[in-house]
Amino acid sequence: DSGVTQTPKHLITATGQRVTLRCSPRSGDLSVYWYQQSLDQGLQFLIQYYNGEERAKGNILERFSAQQFPDLHSELNLSSLELGDSALYFCASSFRGGSDIQYFGAGTRLSVL
Amino acid sequence: AQKVTQAQTEISVVEKEDVTLDCVYETRDTTYYLFWYKQPPSGELVFLIRRNSFDEQNEISGRYSWNFQKSTSSFNFTITASQVVDSAVYFCALSGLNKLVFGAGTILRVKS
Repeated sequence: DSGVTQTPKHLITATGQRVTLRCSPRSGDLSVYWYQQSLDQGLQFLIQYYNGEERAKGNILERFSAQQFPDLHSELNLSSLELGDSALYFCASSFRGGSDIQYFGAGTRLSVL
Repeated sequence: AQKVTQAQTEISVVEKEDVTLDCVYETRDTTYYLFWYKQPPSGELVFLIRRNSFDEQNEISGRYSWNFQKSTSSFNFTITASQVVDSAVYFCALSGLNKLVFGAGTILRVKS
């Protein structure tokens, strides 16, 4: 068990809908990262937050947004969902950032029908 | 731009065979870190090792060993005496600016 908690484990929704994925980092970790894993794109970095502030941005669509709250948990919001958004979404956490070891949650599997 | 290449898409071995997973990376950074993660069938990503660019010593942990060669930009992973429980997807990754750049992964199937 990595200590990173992601909910829900599975999510099934329809095109055009909006969903929220939640992540609680390991105790003591200040950074949270979001990654998307799909068959065609592989594992892609989306965004990183450190102590409530956005620190790095990857290939995140404008329809997606994230935030990190004062208690350090993070949420990834996906809106106007398309079939192609179906993927496994991972949250990871580390103490600070940079080259710290990132510990991953079990992921949220999103299916857009 | 940073890039990680895992040329082996899938490898099948019989239990107790040794297997090496290849990883080649590209970066312009002089200081960087390399990682290996394991994704078993259950789906989670499990951290295996982190190595910095200044440390070219090979590392051994039980049946696992890693060979880092800066001259060839490679960070290969060997499993000795493979077991069925080693069946998983293995990812090599390179540290970027506050992110990891992953290779496409190698599926390892160990048959009994």
